[in-house]
Amino acid sequence: QVQLQESGPGLVKPWETLSLTCSVSGYSISSGYYWDWVRQPPGRGLEWIGSIYHSGSTYYNPSLNSRVTISIETSKNQFSLKLISVTAADAALYYCARVAVSSGGSHNWFDSWGQGTRVTVSS
Amino acid sequence: DIVMTQSPDSLAVSLGERATINCKSSQSILYRSNNKNYLGWYQQKPGQPPKLLIYWASTRESGVPDRFSGSGSGTDFTLTISNLQAEDVAVYYCQQYYSTPYTFGQGTKLEIK
Repeated sequence: QVQLQESGPGLVKPWETLSLTCSVSGYSISSGYYWDWVRQPPGRGLEWIGSIYHSGSTYYNPSLNSRVTISIETSKNQFSLKLISVTAADAALYYCARVAVSSGGSHNWFDSWGQGTRVTVSS
Repeated sequence: DIVMTQSPDSLAVSLGERATINCKSSQSILYRSNNKNYLGWYQQKPGQPPKLLIYWASTRESGVPDRFSGSGSGTDFTLTISNLQAEDVAVYYCQQYYSTPYTFGQGTKLEIK
């Protein structure tokens, strides 16, 4: 059974870069699926950040597009999130998730999630 | 962006009764070439990540109790929880995966009356 675990600094200064890593076990990320990041501000709903296909293709939420980069490191079975120039609005619980893929390669539902890592933005 | 709107924002239902949560998309999320609705439902309990309940609007994920069911098509969808159990207390989200950016409803908080 696949397991995902987020890691990274819990505190980031304003205007600096947020960097998180998702370590995957129980499945080789180079074998398939999309691998995504989703965030949840305190007491609020869920926001899709972006996605990386096992081939390396990436898709981002236009609301964050210019600030976000998702990359994949197959040798470590990890994928990562970088978000530059963070502000208080970026404080949230950040989840990594695996996405089901149907025939034709379409990005579908989130079938497995990490436990999430909380990021605070403060000087 | 496709906006997903859930109703109600919260509801309280007695144990053993039925809970109904609605989700409306701002445009159709039915892909006509395969006649599938690109909609999922998730359950999030306090301190936990979301858990997939339903995909393709009405297909139950493996291991999900059959008291959870999804219905609807096009722009209007419903999650029904029959015979409500205490462990069903959670926030429920719908999510469209028809087009990017993938979007979620605002959530519906389900409590026991």
